Amino acid sequence: NAGVMQNPRHLVRRRGQEARLRCSPMKGHSHVYWYRQLPEEGLKFMVYLQKENIIDESGMPKERFSAEFPKEGPSILRIQQVVRGDSAAYFCASSPARGNSPLHFGNGTRLTVT
Amino acid sequence: EDQVTQSPEALRLQEGESSSLNCSYTVSGLRGLFWYRQDPGKGPEFLFTLYSAGEEKEKERLKATLTKKESFLHITAPKPEDSATYLCALEGETGANNLFFGTGTRLTVIP
Repeated sequence: NAGVMQNPRHLVRRRGQEARLRCSPMKGHSHVYWYRQLPEEGLKFMVYLQKENIIDESGMPKERFSAEFPKEGPSILRIQQVVRGDSAAYFCASSPARGNSPLHFGNGTRLTVT
Repeated sequence: EDQVTQSPEALRLQEGESSSLNCSYTVSGLRGLFWYRQDPGKGPEFLFTLYSAGEEKEKERLKATLTKKESFLHITAPKPEDSATYLCALEGETGANNLFFGTGTRLTVIP
């Protein structure tokens, strides 16, 4: 998984706080995807972004969640007013092109809401 | 609706005991079927992409095959370091921006 960098690796937040998860894609990759993995469940797609654009956010809850991928800097997944149900592993992936090129994943951020 | 079912959920093998993992799927227009390996506390690591029925790909002790309804990941003479969760994912025409993952098969290879 070398190349896609996520931080922090672990994040603890109290209910009602904000969580910010960061992802730097592999060098040369301009497509970023966020997935969520709940215990005993498969990875679920949340959002797909290219530089400065959200391409598909169909998997992201409409409230409290937002994502961005600015021209400079990492992609950010932001969760406002976190609740216990937000506790999960959040993975970022990148690819050089859209379509069926394989996604390369980071090692995730494990969010725990207390 | 796209569906991916992996079986078995968990598999314990003796070192050297070959076996196969199954991924059954339904999709409207398969663009690609992917196999990933995930170790505890890590992100998925890409293994293979298969695009059409009849296609096969190999890497060391692993071989992936694809039919119109399922894919198999064959593990020949596994070693303890092959222990991991193996994930199957597909990309269909309706979800061309993302992968639809199964829940995985947790493989344990006992020395």
